[in-house]
Amino acid sequence: SQQGEEDPQALSIQEGENATMNCSYKTSINNLQWYRQNSGRGLVHLILIRSNEREKHSGRLRVTLDTSKKSSSLLITASRAADTASYFCGLFNAGGTSYGKLTFGQGTILTVHP
Amino acid sequence: EAQVTQNPRYLITVTGKKLTVTCSQNMNHEYMSWYRQDPGLGLRQIYYSMNVEVTDKGDVPEGYKVSRKEKRNFPLILESPSPNQTSLYFCASSFGGSHEQYFGPGTRLTVT
Repeated sequence: SQQGEEDPQALSIQEGENATMNCSYKTSINNLQWYRQNSGRGLVHLILIRSNEREKHSGRLRVTLDTSKKSSSLLITASRAADTASYFCGLFNAGGTSYGKLTFGQGTILTVHP
Repeated sequence: EAQVTQNPRYLITVTGKKLTVTCSQNMNHEYMSWYRQDPGLGLRQIYYSMNVEVTDKGDVPEGYKVSRKEKRNFPLILESPSPNQTSLYFCASSFGGSHEQYFGPGTRLTVT
């Protein structure tokens, strides 16, 4: 079954540094979605990248997708203390009996020190 | 304001006492879904609905029921709650399953 694995589990950096987190998966996807969660609150959508796309940007965020390696990365440039949160990748399955399922990884906890 | 609302936000109950957590969205979204979040396990999908009267099991459906009689509402029913259902629950909606999800604020459930 589909499973998302995020790496690293936790990341601690200084303000101004870049943060990179990765997501790997097992079976074909329709798209991959990155979300952010602040301490027990609802998830907030960041970027969606479709299976036929390789890279997307949104402000200080850059997402890449390598379907041959079944992996994606989220890069946050020039990080700020306000970026401190948990980040999750969501995998929307490609089809078959799993179409409609959205599977999340366990998340990466990012701490940005002022 | 476009939003997903959940009620209640916090609930403490006892084993076996049936409960319902409501979820409502005002964005005319077709797709709605329920997740539970547990430490170390991330978010796991319980049930999802592609449209009215269409529901499917997610990865952890045991012990839960859902219904989708109206487009805007997607209640989660625990017929006989057990302590292992203590968790943080999130409802989400989107225009289609393959689109960005809008999440509710969460419902923290404790079953004693």
